[in-house]
Amino acid sequence: GAVVSQHPSWVICKSGTSVKIECRSLDFQATTMFWYRQFPKQSLMLMATSNEGSKATYEQGVEKDKFLINHASLTLSTLTVTSAHPEDSSFYICSAKGQGNTGELFFGEGSRLTVL
Amino acid sequence: QKEVEQDPGPLSVPEGAIVSLNCTYSNSAFQYFMWYRQYSRKGPELLMYTYSSGNKEDGRFTAQVDKSSKYISLFIRDSQPSDSATYLCAENTGNQFYFGTGTSLTVIP
Repeated sequence: GAVVSQHPSWVICKSGTSVKIECRSLDFQATTMFWYRQFPKQSLMLMATSNEGSKATYEQGVEKDKFLINHASLTLSTLTVTSAHPEDSSFYICSAKGQGNTGELFFGEGSRLTVL
Repeated sequence: QKEVEQDPGPLSVPEGAIVSLNCTYSNSAFQYFMWYRQYSRKGPELLMYTYSSGNKEDGRFTAQVDKSSKYISLFIRDSQPSDSATYLCAENTGNQFYFGTGTSLTVIP
């Protein structure tokens, strides 16, 4: 299957700092990428959908000024958690959908964020 | 009503058993159906992908879709301890993806 690389896999930061997570599709062009948040033993919670070259669409309840998403190219999307606080600590996962309407969705390895 | 319903388990089976995982969905517009395997602290890995009713087999895994009943299943034959993970079903139409809550599976050696 297609490969989606997510970096960093884990990060620890101080409260009030910003953290950037990168999501790259390595062997295909991803017109659409998705960002999820996952709490322990719970399913994926969609945060936002990003399309290359346009603004991300955020799910209800997700602060767009808190979670900045950029999808500047067909192979890279970034999520920046701004002014992080301990309640932002979570597992963040990106996924990428290839061009065309195949329905296949590929996930990154996830990034574990801990805010002290 | 949720778009996708999945029994969260947990499910515990002895090594070598046949495992059956199931999901139901409510939206007849769904076109594609997927099963993902997620190990602890890792991103989900696409296991099976299908878009039509019937069975699709890949090694020890068989995905079954019944569009008339809005029911999808994943069967794992000769289960191994390495199959211990959470399994997520997913349905898709366009850019909308809907995930089940996941079923936690433990295969006991």
